[in-house]
Amino acid sequence: NAGVTQTPKFRVLKTGQSMTLLCAQDMNHEYMYWYRQDPGMGLRLIHYSVGEGTTAKGEVPDGYNVSRLKKQNFLLGLESAAPSQTSVYFCASSYDRGEIPLSYEQYFGPGTRLTVT
Amino acid sequence: KNQVEQSPQSLIILEGKNCTLQCNYTVSPFSNLRWYKQDTGRGPVSLTIMTFSENTKSNGRYTATLDADTKQSSLHITASQLSDSASYICVVSFSGGSYIPTFGRGTSLIVHP
Repeated sequence: NAGVTQTPKFRVLKTGQSMTLLCAQDMNHEYMYWYRQDPGMGLRLIHYSVGEGTTAKGEVPDGYNVSRLKKQNFLLGLESAAPSQTSVYFCASSYDRGEIPLSYEQYFGPGTRLTVT
Repeated sequence: KNQVEQSPQSLIILEGKNCTLQCNYTVSPFSNLRWYKQDTGRGPVSLTIMTFSENTKSNGRYTATLDADTKQSSLHITASQLSDSASYICVVSFSGGSYIPTFGRGTSLIVHP
């Protein structure tokens, strides 16, 4: 049981390049999330998904797109990377406990450190 | 704007000592409050979750308390160990609107032998 895994672990991009971050979970969780963590700030929600084929915007969605084609995977895309997107990105997932998705315990992946030059 | 403030920003203690971390929030109306532990270079791991009606929750040597009237929470660590060195993050979800959680900036705890 690997939990939540993220690939890649590190990546350096040049301004304007695109990339996709992959998140996978093997816990059969309904809900999945993408956060970014910047120095001196709390984690901020980018996008989330309450089930296969569904996505929703979080607190800071601009410049990012997501897709949830399979229940176990949640992809985060950067179409045209900018230096302001330099950050550590965390994926998380949680059970469907019949409660509001965002308000319950989340299981986090190890993070992807992205640098945009 | 909903805010979560944690104090102190950083703390150094000796192994075996106890410590208490603070979390104040302005989130209203309140849904639940979570404490996470984040080791360097790792993702956060949940320690405790408390709803509006709970005022204390324990997880081994970690005990969280909640005072919903004053909008304050604390995380007490008993008999600290070197492995407790980490960042401790307070997260509050409010029950109105989109339920997007508000994360505090964390308290960095260093336990010295």
